[in-house]
Amino acid sequence: AQSVTQLDSHVSVSEGTPVLLRCNYSSSYSPSLFWYVQHPNKGLQLLLKYTSAATLVKGINGFEAEFKKSETSFHLTKPSAHMSDAAEYFCVVKNSGYALNFGKGTSLLVTP
Amino acid sequence: DVKVTQSSRYLVKRTGEKVFLECVQDMDHENMFWYRQDPGLGLRLIYFSYDVKMKEKGDIPEGYSVSREKKERFSLILESASTNQTSMYLCASSLGDFNTEAFFGQGTRLTVV
Repeated sequence: AQSVTQLDSHVSVSEGTPVLLRCNYSSSYSPSLFWYVQHPNKGLQLLLKYTSAATLVKGINGFEAEFKKSETSFHLTKPSAHMSDAAEYFCVVKNSGYALNFGKGTSLLVTP
Repeated sequence: DVKVTQSSRYLVKRTGEKVFLECVQDMDHENMFWYRQDPGLGLRLIYFSYDVKMKEKGDIPEGYSVSREKKERFSLILESASTNQTSMYLCASSLGDFNTEAFFGQGTRLTVV
């Protein structure tokens, strides 16, 4: 069965510093992996997705993630945090055909 | 843009009531899903449907049922609401291809009193 583990439930960074949100996955298949973001009182928005075309995936708002098969990781990064990045982030793996399996989320706090 | 519309943003229901949560998508997607979101638990799959009148149980189907009579509409039914079903409910849809993402509605915050 496919699953994801988000290694930090909360991450706090200062504005202008790098962001790293960690995600490890387990999958019996070559997985599809996603990162979603949820701002307070807003719906879930797709940040980026990995579908085996390239291991480094670029998403919206300057975020990117690197698929590392040997480490079964799909960490999300951004070079410089902005106040508007404060939100809940979910790492997601797609199972054998249909549904998305979500991690428990990482809450990103950005301080001035 | 894909639009997934949930019929209510907020609902308050009494214990024992039968509750219907409605979801409509406008992009002719094959797959539709119902998740519930609780703090610290992420999103957990309740049911999904990969075609009209077809459904599969997710991780936490107990106490819920679903209906998909038309391709664009997927309903979640709480047969007899209980306080432990107080939660945020999210509907989503996607194409049938493996590599495609899901698109989410804004959510329905259900409170059972």
